[in-house]
Order: sequence, then structure tokens, then C-alpha cells
Amino acid sequence: KAGVTQTPRYLIKTRGQQVTLSCSPISGHRSVSWYQQTPGQGLQFLFEYFSETQRNKGNFPGRFSGRQFSNSRSEMNVSTLELGDSALYLCASSLGGGPADTQYFGPGTRLTVL
Amino acid sequence: GQQLNQSPQSMFIQEGEDVSMNCTSSSIFNTWLWYKQEPGEGPVLLIALYKAGELTSNGRLTAQFGITRKDSFLNISASIPSDVGIYFCAGQIAGGTSYGKLTFGQGTILTVHP
Repeated sequence: KAGVTQTPRYLIKTRGQQVTLSCSPISGHRSVSWYQQTPGQGLQFLFEYFSETQRNKGNFPGRFSGRQFSNSRSEMNVSTLELGDSALYLCASSLGGGPADTQYFGPGTRLTVL
Repeated sequence: GQQLNQSPQSMFIQEGEDVSMNCTSSSIFNTWLWYKQEPGEGPVLLIALYKAGELTSNGRLTAQFGITRKDSFLNISASIPSDVGIYFCAGQIAGGTSYGKLTFGQGTILTVHP
């Protein structure tokens, strides 16, 4: 079974731009979660999607948004980029998103904002 | 919100030594997970724990879900150079607000000297 894939792996943007990151979950997994990883804050939960619906959201500003498609693939968007948005963005997939469903991570997208 | 306190922050050990790290929380978790992350990659699942008191092994790795559901530990026996990386504990609670949300510890950086 193929693992979680994320594209692109690396991105360089400038302040004020917007960016879209993509995540393809493991086949059969319907829950996709997104996390931001920075040296200062560690791994922080952004949001989770299941069956094209956002079920849970972390404590991030509205500039961070996402969506999920009918094939469970997910995208996240960050608008009006700030320097502090530079981070490794990770997505994880699981069968249902509950505590009994193990999350498997992709390799991440490294975003650099200049 | 929930926070996980992971210790130690870093460890420098000789090849062949055993390693122990732990995570504690002020909140109860229904699931404890241990991940390993290497540079430029996403976290890779090592062990998943779903029941209080559960003790699970994966090769040289052993992890336990604390009886109080507020802590977990990971042991690595007879360390080898490829054990180098950052180890993260993560927990998930049950309930609607927990869908897809893992709370992470700050990580333990492991260095193994040959």
C-alpha cells in the first residue's frame, strides 16, 4: 500500500502571497489531518477533514484553510503569507480520525516565506 | 488545552546502551503514540497504545500506556547508530472535539555515538 504523499516537497514564497499544499492519503483512509511544525512551537494541529467536511480545527487564524475532495485527497491553503508561516507542513491520514485510528504521516512540505 | 511534557529533551549515548524517555500530561488520553522523525521527513509511527496499562514491543522498542492514562514511556534497548533521530510522544482523547487531533510532546533528540 502506498503511503501518504504530499506535494510539493519544497516551496519558497514571499510575504503577502498565497500557497496551496496537497495531500493524498493512504488508500481507504477517509480522515486527513494537517499539522504545522516549527522549531519554536513544535507540532501543532491545524484541522481535520472527513468525508469532505471539516470536523475539527486548531487555534490558527482564518488565513489557514483547507478542503477535502470526494476521493479523500486534501488541500490546505494559506493566504497573505507572513514570515512566521515558514514551517514544515505535515498531513496525516487515518481510517476515521478517532482515537482508535492510527495516524500515518506524509513527508511534509517545507514552506519558506521570504 | 492539553499539553504533553516529554523528557529528556536530548540524549547522547554510546552504541549498545539502553534508552528511556517519557511523556506526562495533566489530562487523560485515550491513545498514546510514539513516532520517530528524521531530518527532512515526516514522523514515522513506532508504537501505538490504546489501553491503560498496555505494554507493547516492536523489536528493540517497548512502550507502555500508564495506568492513570496521563503518561507513557518508551524504551529502546541496545541502541544502534540508526536509532538517531527525534522521538515524539503523541496523545489523542475521545470525543467530538478530538477528531484527527494529536497533541504532541516537544520531542527527545537522540544521538548515538558508535
